[in-house]
Amino acid sequence: EVQLVQSGAEVKKPGESLKISCKGSGYSFTSYWIGWVRQMPGKGLEWMGIIYPGDSDTRYSPSFQGQVTISADKSISTAYLQWSSLKASDTAMYYCVRPQPGYYYYYMDVWGKGTTVTVSS
Amino acid sequence: DIQMTQSPSSVSASVGDRVTITCRASQGISSWLAWYQQKPGKAPKLLIYAASSLQSGVPSRFSGSGSGTDFTLTISSLQPEDFATYYCQQANSFSLTFGGGTKVEIK
Repeated sequence: EVQLVQSGAEVKKPGESLKISCKGSGYSFTSYWIGWVRQMPGKGLEWMGIIYPGDSDTRYSPSFQGQVTISADKSISTAYLQWSSLKASDTAMYYCVRPQPGYYYYYMDVWGKGTTVTVSS
Repeated sequence: DIQMTQSPSSVSASVGDRVTITCRASQGISSWLAWYQQKPGKAPKLLIYAASSLQSGVPSRFSGSGSGTDFTLTISSLQPEDFATYYCQQANSFSLTFGGGTKVEIK
């Protein structure tokens, strides 16, 4: 079974750094893109960016470029989303996603359960 | 970024009703469009891709149509488990974008 298992909820203070993770299983991790989607409380979905673990090719939404870093460690089939200095506005649910095969990275058919990040002083 | 505008933002309907949700792109996206369903507290689920292709395991009461800038998601006979929020998503540019969502509520 294809699964994306995300790390647990985080509570951080403004200015702190954070790295959350997403471990893929049940498929060849290096053969599929893996990305991140943000959902702020009570709001819609926002595509943040995506990485191809096979060669580390990474694409970012212009809205998130420079605000976060997406990376992957193919040796442990894990993707990461990290912040160097969190803001209160980073408070959200973050979903890890794997696109459907055959359509580049366009359609997301496997979703993790989400990681809640709360940033508050 | 390509902007995606969904309408209505919410709709009240009864079990058995036919429900149609529309999504408009700010520029032509051919058929590069997906629809997702999200229930409260859960991750979204892919329903339709490439504008009209039904994802495996999704009931046939869901259908998608459209190309260019205007798209629709239709639920032919609303079931109790279909009350949820629905999002469109364009895949025409390297930076993907979602619509604002349509909440389907019980009348």
